[in-house]
Amino acid sequence: AQSVTQLGSHVSVSEGALVLLRCNYSSSVPPYLFWYVQYPNQGLQLLLKYTTGATLVKGINGFEAEFKKSETSFHLTKPSAHMSDAAEYFCAVRGRSDYKLSFGAGTTVTVRA
Amino acid sequence: SAVISQKPSRDICQRGTSLTIQCQVDSQVTMMFWYRQQPGQSLTLIATANQGSEATYESGFVIDKFPISRPNLTFSTLTVSNMSPEDSSIYLCSVERGLTEAFFGQGTRLTVV
Repeated sequence: AQSVTQLGSHVSVSEGALVLLRCNYSSSVPPYLFWYVQYPNQGLQLLLKYTTGATLVKGINGFEAEFKKSETSFHLTKPSAHMSDAAEYFCAVRGRSDYKLSFGAGTTVTVRA
Repeated sequence: SAVISQKPSRDICQRGTSLTIQCQVDSQVTMMFWYRQQPGQSLTLIATANQGSEATYESGFVIDKFPISRPNLTFSTLTVSNMSPEDSSIYLCSVERGLTEAFFGQGTRLTVV
């Protein structure tokens, strides 16, 4: 079974500063990797995903993530935080022959003015 | 993409009662998924619902507590039975497009008093 670990349950950044959210997975075979965002009182929205090919993946709202097989990581970054980035972020993983998504514990991002 | 409508969006229920949550998708899908998100926590898969067959429940979830119906390829219901305050959570419906696209409803925010 796949598992995913998000380091840091809360991240606070200043507006305009770098956002870095860490995600590590455990799998012997590189899985499909996802980042989702959940705004208050809303469902989950896909930010970006890695399936195959280029290891640097660009998503919506200026976010990107890099798949590093050697580190079993898929960290999410955004160069310059905006107030609207305040939300809960979930890393998720799925095995390449598995229909189940496994979610990390989530990281809450707050943005300081 | 897929547009998912969940009803109700929120409810406050008395303990011992049951609530049925509806999930409607704008296109036909093979599998539909039900997740629970307890306060401040990540998403946990409750069950997978395929049309024409019994739902498949994850460890820790049973049909008597969370009966699921899947009458056609665009609709499913999840019932939370004999509710207690511990059932207070967000319940989310999800559908897949292959193994690399998952879409979520807005969620049903349930409070049991």
